Order: sequence, then structure tokens, then C-alpha cells
Amino acid sequence: AQTVTQSQPEMSVQEAETVTLSCTYDTSESDYYLFWYKQPPSRQMILVIRQEAYKQQNATENRFSVNFQKAAKSFSLKISDSQLGDAAMYFCGRPQGGSEKLVFGKGTKLTVNP
Amino acid sequence: EPEVTQTPSHQVTQMGQEVILRCVPISNHLYFYWYRQILGQKVEFLVSFYNNEISEKSEIFDDQFSVERPDGSNFTLKIRSTKLEDSAMYFCASSDARADTQYFGPGTRLTVL
Repeated sequence: AQTVTQSQPEMSVQEAETVTLSCTYDTSESDYYLFWYKQPPSRQMILVIRQEAYKQQNATENRFSVNFQKAAKSFSLKISDSQLGDAAMYFCGRPQGGSEKLVFGKGTKLTVNP
Repeated sequence: EPEVTQTPSHQVTQMGQEVILRCVPISNHLYFYWYRQILGQKVEFLVSFYNNEISEKSEIFDDQFSVERPDGSNFTLKIRSTKLEDSAMYFCASSDARADTQYFGPGTRLTVL
């Protein structure tokens, strides 16, 4: 089974600072997409950002951006100007090859300190 | 902005009872999914549904589970005889194309006593 690895179980950041969450994955495909979902204490899964593998340009959504390194199979999430509302679990993932099934990493718990 | 809705938000049931979890996907979406998350663990795929039939299911989705789209708007997950280990958060998701972004509902917390 294809795996998604988040090596940081927990991270913390000061309000207004920048933090980067790491994610690596394995795949034998050339065309796929990757995503980050946020899960606040309410436990709802909220899409943060999506990256198409064929696009060389890194995706950005306001304060959220990714560093996509296709050859290294790395897909990190950068949160700029961190806010208290960014505190949540963040899950990296991708569809399993040839499938609609989404495969998630184990998550990184982000704490934002005032 | 359209969103996926789920009811109830929290369901408590006795072991061995049947439960039905309900979802209303985004209206123009064609692909529907159920995932679950046991407390403290990652989100796991259960089943995908397209064109009124299951398109893929995981090993978790055994004979105790079934899905249905009883009308043009609802998508349900039934657990026939609940076990203690079925206690989890159950998420419904939908997408408008096979490889498109899946949008998740707020989840139903199922507690089996």
C-alpha cells in the first residue's frame, strides 16, 4: 500500500510566526494530486490546499503555501503569520494510485502560542 | 458556499443495535464516500459510491456495513449490529469527479456502549 508519512507528531509556533509541516509520500505514478486537510478541535475535516503533481508552481491559499518537491516526494505546508485559529491537527494525503480512496498521514498537531 | 451535511452530530447506541448515519452531499456531486476516524488515529477510507453502486470498499467495510442513496439527496451508512470497536467519528465526503477534491462533512460521532 502506498504510504504518506508525517514525521512531526507535534509542532508549536508563536502567533504571527511561520511554521512548516513536513510530509513525504511514495508513489510510482506521474500524475496525481496531494492535499492538506485541517482538523480543529471540532474534528471537522477542512481542505487547506491541493497541489497537482503536474504543476511546477507551488500552490498557495492566502497564508498557506506548499513546497512541493516531486523528485524527493516531499510536500510540506508552510503557514505564514500564524493565528490562534490555525491550531489544529493537519493531515497530509493523496489518493491511492488508481483509486478514489484517500490515504492520510498520521497527522501533525499544531499549537499556536499567543 | 455549498457544503456536506451530516446527521446526527452524535449518536449513542448499545452494542448489537443497528445505526444509520445520514449525509447530504453537495448537490451537483456524483461521487460519495464514507471514512472513519477512531479517536487519536488517522482517517481511514471505508467505501466509495458512484452511479448507485459501490465502486470501492476497504477491508473494514464488512458485511455489517451497507450504504444507500435512497433518494436524490441523501447518502446513508448503516451498521447492522454495532460493536464496541465501531465507536469512531464517521465522515461523509463528496466530489464532482473521480479525481477531484473530496469535501468532507462535519462528521457523526458514534459511541457504542
